[in-house]
Amino acid sequence: ETGVTQTPRHLVMGMTNKKSLKCEQHLGHNAMYWYKQSAKKPLELMFVYNFKEQTENNSVPSRFSPECPNSSHLFLHLHTLQPEDSALYLCASSQGVKTQYFGPGTRLLVL
Amino acid sequence: QKEVEQDPGPLSVPEGAIVSLNCTYSNSAFQYFMWYRQYSRKGPELLMYTYSSGNKEDGRFTAQVDKSSKYISLFIRDSQPSDSATYLCAMSGDAGNMLTFGGGTRLMVKP
Repeated sequence: ETGVTQTPRHLVMGMTNKKSLKCEQHLGHNAMYWYKQSAKKPLELMFVYNFKEQTENNSVPSRFSPECPNSSHLFLHLHTLQPEDSALYLCASSQGVKTQYFGPGTRLLVL
Repeated sequence: QKEVEQDPGPLSVPEGAIVSLNCTYSNSAFQYFMWYRQYSRKGPELLMYTYSSGNKEDGRFTAQVDKSSKYISLFIRDSQPSDSATYLCAMSGDAGNMLTFGGGTRLMVKP
């Protein structure tokens, strides 16, 4: 595996379900990010982890809970989501410089 | 006013045309400028990265930054149908590692 991988690629869940999104980066980077991409809206930064420490929480509702057990893995735990949370969730990583490398995303549909 | 403005398009051009994609921004602290290409249902892919003002060329792609006008451009020469995608500009200041994205311009290159 190379680059940034994300699983699952597609997810359908009900509002009472609990699910988790997984991201893994194979680039040796020290920072990882979660973004939300909705139709016709710019990318919204959700969380930033530097050296496994959360350094940014961009006013994200508590129904989204990130976890970064090590510098290569990032999770986004989902609980009691709303239909408006349906979107493409993108993971990215970077190392020291400004350029971020993105995974393919998880397309989430909340029913 | 949004920090980064980008015409959403769609921009439709014939194959072989020269394409010009642009972003304007308001934050004079931005020093790092990136262009990403995003195909439908995929994650953004880094295309070009420039620091401060000037031009950078990579194959058919040329990135230009004019900091005095707070204006960046991406030129695509000899455009191909495979260039059809959404192009996102992104930028950052010296502090931190967070990017501010434009909303993206959808490009369609017709055979």
